[in-house]
Amino acid sequence: NAGVTQTPKFQVLKTGQSMTLQCAQDMNHEYMSWYRQDPGMGLRLIHYSVGAGITDQGEVPNGYNVSRSTTEDFPLRLLSAAPSQTSVYFCASSFSGELFFGEGSRLTVL
Amino acid sequence: RKEVEQDPGPFNVPEGATVAFNCTYSNSASQSFFWYRQDCRKEPKLLMSVYSSGNEDGRFTAQLNRASQYISLLIRDSKLSDSATYLCVVNTYYGGSQGNLIFGKGTKLSVKP
Repeated sequence: NAGVTQTPKFQVLKTGQSMTLQCAQDMNHEYMSWYRQDPGMGLRLIHYSVGAGITDQGEVPNGYNVSRSTTEDFPLRLLSAAPSQTSVYFCASSFSGELFFGEGSRLTVL
Repeated sequence: RKEVEQDPGPFNVPEGATVAFNCTYSNSASQSFFWYRQDCRKEPKLLMSVYSSGNEDGRFTAQLNRASQYISLLIRDSKLSDSATYLCVVNTYYGGSQGNLIFGKGTKLSVKP
């Protein structure tokens, strides 16, 4: 089983560039979410979705957009990358409380 | 007071030792609790849920103290493979809504031969 798949695993961007982190899950979970993890910080929720067509903001949504057109996919868009968005990004899906994470995407913004 | 607080460690223990981690939470309305494990440069994975009556899974025991608003994780007979960061996770709503999952910063455990 693939579980939660994130792409790309690594990305380097220049300030002001835009990009999309892809996330797909094959477990038919309604709930999906994006977190960022920075050194010395806990995982912080960026955006989440409780089902296709429904998204909501988490703790740190500024500078990011999401959409949920299908149950399987939940892409995260960086509109105009900034050095403060250098981080490791995790996508997760959930059923009944347990979060299943993707392997993470390491993003560096120069 | 931060919502979920953990001692960052690192906890350096020899193989075979017993080690305990505590985690405190500030929201008394919190209803579900979890411990996740994260290996270096990997994604977090669920280690165990924490139930009101306490629960055990092999060498791992989780306890919840609602009155004092903390949860604990006890690892007995530590193995080298237990070396990881342990994340305390608290959810304000039981079950469904995941929008209120709060992660602690994690406690790093290093088990030495």
